[in-house]
Amino acid sequence: EIVLTQSPATLSLSPGERVTLSCRASQSASIFLGWYQQKPGQAPRLLIYDALKRAPGVPARFSGSGSGTDFSLTISSLEPEDFAVYYCQQRNHWPLTFGQGTRLEIK
Amino acid sequence: EVQLVQSGAEVKKPGESLKISCKASGYSFSTYWIGWVRQMPGKGLEWLGIIYPGDSDTRYNPSFQGQVTISADKSIRTAYLHWSSLEASDTAMYYCVISLTAVNYFDYWGQGTLVSVSS
Repeated sequence: EIVLTQSPATLSLSPGERVTLSCRASQSASIFLGWYQQKPGQAPRLLIYDALKRAPGVPARFSGSGSGTDFSLTISSLEPEDFAVYYCQQRNHWPLTFGQGTRLEIK
Repeated sequence: EVQLVQSGAEVKKPGESLKISCKASGYSFSTYWIGWVRQMPGKGLEWLGIIYPGDSDTRYNPSFQGQVTISADKSIRTAYLHWSSLEASDTAMYYCVISLTAVNYFDYWGQGTLVSVSS
């Protein structure tokens, strides 16, 4: 199975800052990688699919990039509601797999 | 409006059986895969498997094959996750999920069902 490794595990930032989260795959995921946001006590929310496509209703400050084994999620200017845990997920190979998550916390 | 409404929290003992449910509305139930995702306490997300309600074609994550059974009843638009013999390690939140925007990315999630297994 494809193992997804996210880095860093935790980030402490302030509102207004720009942040880039990383997701590295153990083998090629082609472009078939998505990103989710999960807030405490809530189900995850799909943000990005196919590496760079925003899901309906997702603000433009969220953008994705990458292909093959290296992917990134960028938030251009952090809003207070963006502090959450972010997961990547690949669909290029069965079984579908998730990364272990990056926690974005307020500094 | 698309909705996935899951059954309520369960408290069970090791060795007991359990079936939790996910009732779908607002889309064509028979023509979209519906799946299950596990989240153990304080941990990340794990994909268990998916089913196509139209013909009950089911795909499992090999890590969970034989541990759980996924089924669906298209007549009542409901998917199920079943354990024949629970273990303490099955304690987790379980989400049902569907992919409407893009295949095998989960854009709709149920509210989750918390399963607690303890002697």
